[in-house]
Amino acid sequence: GAVVSQHPSWVICKSGTSVKIECRSLDFQATTMFWYRQFPKQSLMLMATSNEGSKATYEQGVEKDKFLINHASLTLSTLTVTSAHPEDSSFYICSARDSRLPRELFFGEGSRLTVL
Amino acid sequence: AQTVTQSQPEMSVQEAETVTLSCTYDTSESDYYLFWYKQPPSRQMILVIRQEAYKQQNATENRFSVNFQKAAKSFSLKISDSQLGDAAMYFCAYGETSGSRLTFGEGTQLTVNP
Repeated sequence: GAVVSQHPSWVICKSGTSVKIECRSLDFQATTMFWYRQFPKQSLMLMATSNEGSKATYEQGVEKDKFLINHASLTLSTLTVTSAHPEDSSFYICSARDSRLPRELFFGEGSRLTVL
Repeated sequence: AQTVTQSQPEMSVQEAETVTLSCTYDTSESDYYLFWYKQPPSRQMILVIRQEAYKQQNATENRFSVNFQKAAKSFSLKISDSQLGDAAMYFCAYGETSGSRLTFGEGTQLTVNP
């Protein structure tokens, strides 16, 4: 099946620094990718929808200046957490839609961010 | 906005027995998708089963089946012959037909006892 890879899988950073998380579709083109955030023992909350070549669409309550999303190619979307603070510590998961199979959605392995 | 509710935070089942996880949702749309995802300790989301709302027939995937009641907006998951590897967090999700945007329920933590 299709594979979506996230990198890094685990990152620790100091408060005030920025962290970039990559989401790659390895064997298919993804015109649309989605970024979710998951707190421990909680559900996945959609943060934004990322469309290749255009600006991301953010969900209500998500700070677009803090969570920068770039989808520059059909196989790569990035999430940058700017000026990270401890409350940004969470598990971030991306998913990608195969443009050939629009009803299929594939998830990455997730990235755990810890801000000290 | 669509909402998805899973009223069972935790469930347990004996190995080889059957368990049913509940899910209800709210939408004003007539066409949509419903999903059950499994999230083991690795945190990787794994698709268990998918149901298209326009299909009356309940979806099945080996030991996994659903009871889709469109009028009641209910979408339960039945796991038959439970195995130790089925232990995980299970999320019910609603998907828009326009583009795979998913809304997840709160999740049900399933424990399988040997």
